[in-house]
Parts: sequence; structure tokens; C-alpha cells
Amino acid sequence: NAGVTQTPKFRVLKTGQSMTLLCAQDMNHEYMYWYRQDPGMGLRLIHYSVGEGTTAKGEVPDGYNVSRLKKQNFLLGLESAAPSQTSVYFCASSKDWAWAQYFGPGTRLTVL
Amino acid sequence: DQQVKQNSPSLSVQEGRISILNCDYTNSMFDYFLWYKKYPAEGPTFLISISSIKDKNEDGRFTVFLNKSAKHLSLHIVPSQPGDSAVYFCAASSSNTGKLIFGQGTTLQVKP
Repeated sequence: NAGVTQTPKFRVLKTGQSMTLLCAQDMNHEYMYWYRQDPGMGLRLIHYSVGEGTTAKGEVPDGYNVSRLKKQNFLLGLESAAPSQTSVYFCASSKDWAWAQYFGPGTRLTVL
Repeated sequence: DQQVKQNSPSLSVQEGRISILNCDYTNSMFDYFLWYKKYPAEGPTFLISISSIKDKNEDGRFTVFLNKSAKHLSLHIVPSQPGDSAVYFCAASSSNTGKLIFGQGTTLQVKP
């Protein structure tokens, strides 16, 4: 039982490049989330999904896209990376809204 | 518009003493509150939660208190241990959105 895993752990991009972050969970959770953490800002919700095939915008969705083709996977895409997207990205999942969210180990992304 | 605020960026306590971490919120629609602990280079881990129908929830050394009239919650750790040294985030959500809003975090240092 791995819980929530994220790939990759680290990545350096140049401005304008694209990439996809993969999140996988093996807890059969319906809800999945993508957050970014910046110094002094706590965690801010980028996008989330309440079930397979659904996605919704969070607090800071601009510049990101997501897909939830399979229940266990939630992908976060950056189509044209910008230095402002340098951050640590966390994926999380939960059984329902009122249940605790379980987080992955994070992906540290640097955009030059 | 910071809906969840942790006004103390850091806290230092002696091993064996009580640690009290505080959190204030502004949205009266919040009805579910959580505390997370985060070690460096790891994802946040769920610690304890409380729903708005309660004013106290206890789990071992950790107790969360909720004061709805003051829109304030606190986490008490008794007794504090060096392994408790971490960043603590409070978070809140409302049943009509299901999205967690995080505070900025408080870094707790427990000195041996």
C-alpha cells in the first residue's frame, strides 16, 4: 500500500517548456487534488477532481490543466512554464470532502 | 483575502512542556477543521480534525479546540517531544465546497 505517489520528485524547466506531473493513489479515493506550496503562503489549491472523468478549478488554476482519466491517477500539466510556477507541488486524495486528505511527497519544480 | 490565518510563524518550547498552536478563520461557512504536520522534503500528514458540531477532539497527546464564536481553533500538544518539531498547518473547509483552505503554517521547535 503505497498511498499517494508523485512523479517526478524534482524537475528543472526552461521558460516555455511543457511538462506533466503524475499523481497516483491506491486507496480507491474518489477525490483528488493538486496544490502548490510557496514560502509564507501555505498550500493553495490548483485543481481538484471529485471522481473519474471530472475536474474543477481551485484557487490558483491559471497556467495549469488537469485530467482524471482513471480513478487512481490525476495529472497536472503545464503547457508553457513560467518562472512564477517555480514551487513545490503536492497531490492529495481523500475518500470524501469531509475526510482527511492524504498527501504525496511532493514535486519540486524550478522554472528558469 | 486570507480566510485561514496562523499569525505565529514560529514557536519554540521545551521538551515535556505544552505546545499551543493557534489558527483563526474568517468564513463562518467553514464546518470542518484539520491540522497537518509537515517535515522538510515530505508531504503534509494528517494529524487531527474536528467538525463544527464539537468544541474539542482529543487523540493521544494532541487535542484540538474549536471556538466558533471567536472563529478560532488551537492545537495542544502535551507533552511536547523533539520529534514534534515540524511545520504545522491548520486547514478549514465547508460542506458546500469541499475545498480545504490552508493557513500559512507555524514552525514548531521542541528543544531537548
